[in-house]
Amino acid sequence: GAVVSQHPSRVICKSGTSVKIECRSLDFQATTMFWYRQFPKQSLMLMATSNEGSKATYEQGVEKDKFLINHASLTLSTLTVTSAHPEDSSFYICSGQRETQYFGPGTRLLVL
Amino acid sequence: SQQGEEDPQALSIQEGENATMNCSYKTSINNLQWYRQNSGRGLVHLILIRSNEREKHSGRLRVTLDTSKKSSSLLITASRAADTASYFCATDADSGYALNFGKGTSLLVTP
Repeated sequence: GAVVSQHPSRVICKSGTSVKIECRSLDFQATTMFWYRQFPKQSLMLMATSNEGSKATYEQGVEKDKFLINHASLTLSTLTVTSAHPEDSSFYICSGQRETQYFGPGTRLLVL
Repeated sequence: SQQGEEDPQALSIQEGENATMNCSYKTSINNLQWYRQNSGRGLVHLILIRSNEREKHSGRLRVTLDTSKKSSSLLITASRAADTASYFCATDADSGYALNFGKGTSLLVTP
């Protein structure tokens, strides 16, 4: 099966700093990757669709200047949470699109 | 936007019993998938059922899909304590589209 990795798996940062999360498709090329966010005891909500070589498409209510997405290659998409605040603390999960979506293991972000 | 709704929100059963979770959705779908998530962990893909399928089995799992009612059910037979997790249904409108996740059912299986 296809494998997607995320790095880091956990990150703790101070309020006001920026955090970069990487999503890699290890054994396939993903023209499209998706970023989801999951708050405690809630479901996954789509944040944005990341397309290789073009600008990401953001869901309503997701600030594109705060959540910067770069999909520079067919195997790597990055999500940078800029000027993070405690309310950005969440579980961030990416997926790579092949014949179906393959999910990464998630990144838990805690902003103090 | 979130379109799937699961019920019940929480389910508590004893080992050996069957667990049934339901999912409803609002718009036309290409596929419907079920995922499991242990507390604080990533998603585990359980089963995919296509819009032209009505029932699918995988081990102790049985999934049904009724596109006329826009609903699906997940049955876990002979449950085990290790089945304790949250279960989500997810739909996509077409191939290559993002998934819309339901709110999930939290299943607790006690020994």
